[in-house]
Amino acid sequence: DAGVIQSPRHEVTEMGQEVTLRCKPISGHNSLFWYRQTMMRGLELLIYFNNNVPIDDSGMPEDRFSAKMPNASFSTLKIQPSEPRDSAVYFCASSFLAGKYEQYFGPGTRLTVT
Amino acid sequence: RKEVEQDPGPFNVPEGATVAFNCTYSNSASQSFFWYRQDCRKEPKLLMSVYSSGNEDGRFTAQLNRASQYISLLIRDSKLSDSATYLCVVNRVTGGGNKLTFGTGTQLKVEL
Repeated sequence: DAGVIQSPRHEVTEMGQEVTLRCKPISGHNSLFWYRQTMMRGLELLIYFNNNVPIDDSGMPEDRFSAKMPNASFSTLKIQPSEPRDSAVYFCASSFLAGKYEQYFGPGTRLTVT
Repeated sequence: RKEVEQDPGPFNVPEGATVAFNCTYSNSASQSFFWYRQDCRKEPKLLMSVYSSGNEDGRFTAQLNRASQYISLLIRDSKLSDSATYLCVVNRVTGGGNKLTFGTGTQLKVEL
């Protein structure tokens, strides 16, 4: 079975450019999470969706960050304009809304902003 | 104060040793607890849930002390393949559902 799929796996971009990260959750899961991981701050929740609806975006650092989930099988995280301090690994995770709370993580997108 | 705190390590132990990790959490409304494992440059994966009565999965034992807001993970007879970062995770039910908060992780290196 396919796990959570993320693309691209690596992204190198220049400051000021727009970056779009993509995620396909596990089929049947109805919660989707976006995380950012850095050495200094660890794994931070940015935003999560239940049934395609954004529930909590309090972790989104600034207005430069936006996330959408147009349907149950696709989500995007966009950074516009990007800055060097956005360099991190961005993980997408999915889970069932109810029951066990295990979250399944994608392989991550390693973003470098120069 | 961070919501979930862990000793970052690294813990360097010989193969076969027993090692214990500790974690504290600040929100008494937290309802469920987990340990995740993260290998270098990989995604986190669930290792085990943590129950108040304590639970064991092979060489791994997890304990929860709600009064002290303290969680532990014990690894017995450690293997080289146990080398990884172990993340303490706390779940809290909010108005919108379940919200996991991750500790920054404890790094374990098992050596020959």
